[in-house]
Formats: sequence, C-alpha cells, structure tokens
Amino acid sequence: KAGVTQTPRYLIKTRGQQVTLSCSPISGHRSVSWYQQTPGQGLQFLFEYFSETQRNKGNFPGRFSGRQFSNSRSEMNVSTLELGDSALYLCASSLQGNEKLFFGSGTQLSVL
Amino acid sequence: DAKTTQPPSMDCAEGRAANLPCNHSTISGNEYVYWYRQIHSQGPQYIIHGLKNNETNEMASLIITEDRKSSTLILPHATLRDTAVYYCIVRFATNSGGSNYKLTFGKGTLLTVNP
Repeated sequence: KAGVTQTPRYLIKTRGQQVTLSCSPISGHRSVSWYQQTPGQGLQFLFEYFSETQRNKGNFPGRFSGRQFSNSRSEMNVSTLELGDSALYLCASSLQGNEKLFFGSGTQLSVL
Repeated sequence: DAKTTQPPSMDCAEGRAANLPCNHSTISGNEYVYWYRQIHSQGPQYIIHGLKNNETNEMASLIITEDRKSSTLILPHATLRDTAVYYCIVRFATNSGGSNYKLTFGKGTLLTVNP
C-alpha cells in the first residue's frame, strides 16, 4: 500500500505570494491533518479534515486554509506569505482521525 | 490532551537497550499513550501505543506504570538508524470530537545511538 504522498517536496516563494501544497492520503483513509514544523515552535497542528469537512483547527491566522476532496486528497493554501511561514509542512492520514497517524515526508517551504 | 514531560536528550550505545521515559501524571482514565519518532527531515513515524497494559510490537515495547502516570519506551537493541527525536503523546482514542483529532507534540527526546 502506498504511503502518504506530499507534493512538492521543496518550494521557494517570496513574501506576499501564495502557495498550495498537496497531500494524497493512504488509500481508504478518510482523515487528513496538517502540521507545521519550525525549529522554534516544533510541530504545531494546523487543521484536520474528514469527509471534506474541517473538524478541528489550530491557532493559525486565516491566511492558512485547506480543503479536502471527495477522494480524500487534501490541499492547504497559504496566502500573503510571510518570512515566518518558512517551515516543513507535514500531512498525516488515518482511517477515522482518532487512531495512529501516518505522516508524509513533508513539503519544505522557504519564503524569501 | 494531557501534558507529557520527557528528557531533552539521551545517549545509548549501539546494540544496547534504549529506555526512554515519559511522565504524564495528569493522564485521564481513557487517554492512551502514543509514541512517535522523527528522523531528521522526515515525517513522524508511529511506534506503539497503549492504555494500561504493557505492549510490544516489532519495533519496541511500551511499559506503563500501574498508576498510569508514567511510561517507558524500550528499544531492545538500538541501532544507529534509531537516532531520532522520540515523542510521547497522550490522547483520547474515541470519537469525542473537537480536539481529539490532533496530536499535541512536545519537544520530545533526542536519542543518539553511538557506535
């Protein structure tokens, strides 16, 4: 069974631009969650989707948004990028959301 | 989710057992203890979880004290590839909604396995 796939693996953007990251969960998994990891703040929860509905959201500004499609694939969008948005963005999938999570390798975003 | 406390770093000799402690003194009765690890620049990897009984799988063993206020992850024969940050997390495992659908990561323990 293929694991969680995140694309792209690396991304370089400039301040003010917007970016869209993609996550394909493990086949059959309906829950997809997103995390941001920075050296200073560690791993922080962004949001979680299940059956195309956002069920839980972390403490991030509205510039961070996401969505989930009917095939459970998910995208997250960051608008008006700031230097502080440079981070590793990780996606995780699970069957229902409340059991063990399977993480992708992440997208390393650099904002210049 | 209950708060956990882990030592920031530990060393272990290759081939020896690595015992990683975690304190979760405020754990509630229906919260599980989960362990994940993260090797540099990769996503976290699930290791094991348990409620109150000791658990073992192909990767590790989990020992939970009788009062459930602490636990120990045991890697029986550590290898260089086990060098990683290990996270101990407690969370509900039922559809209680809301915050149940996220993991709250602390700073974890950096385990360094030395040759």
